Amino acid sequence: AQSVAQPEDQVNVAEGNPLTVKCTYSVSGNPYLFWYVQYPNRGLQFLLKYITGDNLVKGSYGFEAEFNKSQTSFHLKKPSALVSDSALYFCAVRDVYSGAGSYQLTFGKGTKLSVIP
Amino acid sequence: NAGVTQTPKFRVLKTGQSMTLLCAQDMNHEYMYWYRQDPGMGLRLIHYSVGEGTTAKGEVPDGYNVSRLKKQNFLLGLESAAPSQTSVYFCASSSQDRGYGQNYGYTFGSGTRLTVV
Repeated sequence: AQSVAQPEDQVNVAEGNPLTVKCTYSVSGNPYLFWYVQYPNRGLQFLLKYITGDNLVKGSYGFEAEFNKSQTSFHLKKPSALVSDSALYFCAVRDVYSGAGSYQLTFGKGTKLSVIP
Repeated sequence: NAGVTQTPKFRVLKTGQSMTLLCAQDMNHEYMYWYRQDPGMGLRLIHYSVGEGTTAKGEVPDGYNVSRLKKQNFLLGLESAAPSQTSVYFCASSSQDRGYGQNYGYTFGSGTRLTVV
């Protein structure tokens, strides 16, 4: 079974400060990891993914995430937060060998990011 | 623009009524999914499909039925709506993962907000 934990329901950060949104995962094999963002009354939008290779992944809107296999973490980061980054962020995982020809992502419960002007 | 389209965007039902939510994608994706999003619960998979004519149960399938008669469409049905089905419903699609990690994750629709009174 695969699972994702986002330990913080809400993260508040001042505009211009660095931000981190935490994610830990559990899979039986190797993971594919994703971050999605949801703005109010919108669907989820893809931000970035880790499949293999470099542990530091860069994505849309200046976001990046670091894959840490020993800590089973995939934290989302941005060096300087913008008010427009305020949204709901979801981490998702899939076991590389989930099999059955399907491609099911398991999502975390989401973390609400509020960037304060 | 290419993507996933959900109809309707909003709906209010009375307990016991039935309705069908339509999801259409124009990206020729093999896989399609229905999720529900509830506060504090994240995204939960209701049903999914790995190809035309095939469907499978997800995490919370009770009270819902689905059909995938055409590759581009995935329908979610509520036969007898209950207040517990008040939620925001998201459809998503993804291309077939051929094992090389080239899948870029899901593309989501903008959601259907359903209220059952």
